[in-house]
Amino acid sequence: GAVVSQHPSRVICKSGTSVKIECRSLDFQATTMFWYRQFPKQSLMLMATSNEGSKATYEQGVEKDKFLINHASLTLSTLTVTSAHPEDSSFYICSARREGANTGELFFGEGSRLTVL
Amino acid sequence: LAKTTQPISMDSYEGQEVNITCSHNNIATNDYITWYQQFPSQGPRFIIQGYKTKVTNEVASLFIPADRKSSTLSLPRVSLSDTAVYYCLVARGGKLIFGQGTELSVKP
Repeated sequence: GAVVSQHPSRVICKSGTSVKIECRSLDFQATTMFWYRQFPKQSLMLMATSNEGSKATYEQGVEKDKFLINHASLTLSTLTVTSAHPEDSSFYICSARREGANTGELFFGEGSRLTVL
Repeated sequence: LAKTTQPISMDSYEGQEVNITCSHNNIATNDYITWYQQFPSQGPRFIIQGYKTKVTNEVASLFIPADRKSSTLSLPRVSLSDTAVYYCLVARGGKLIFGQGTELSVKP
């Protein structure tokens, strides 16, 4: 099946620093990618839709200046958590849509666990 | 997007058939019903999608009544490795909004 890879899988940083998470579609081109966040024992929350070559669309309540998304190529989207604070500690998961797949079928990455000290 | 409601948790034993029902009263004509499985600290994995009646693949079946206001995911003969959270979603266009999910625990 299609593969979506995230890097890094785990990252620990100090408060105030910025962290970049990469999401790659390894065997297909993805014009659209989605970024989710998941806190322990909770469901996934959609943060934003990443569109190749254009600005990301953010969900209500998600700060676009805090969570910078760049989708510069058809296989790579990045999420940068700027000036991270402990409350940003979470599991960040990206997903991508492959052309020809089912309407509701997204391919998810392995997730990136961010811990802000 | 249509809100979904499903049981928070379910228990089962190895070898049993498990049926998880989801309600989606506000489903629209163009919406599809999709189910995902998620293990701890992993991204969700697509299980099955349907529009109406019954859909079956190698891992599950999905039953959707005529009014489409609910759906039932059926997992035949579950094993310990099926212990996970199962999410029912209504897909419209490309965006997927996850509800609370059902935590399935399979016991020996």
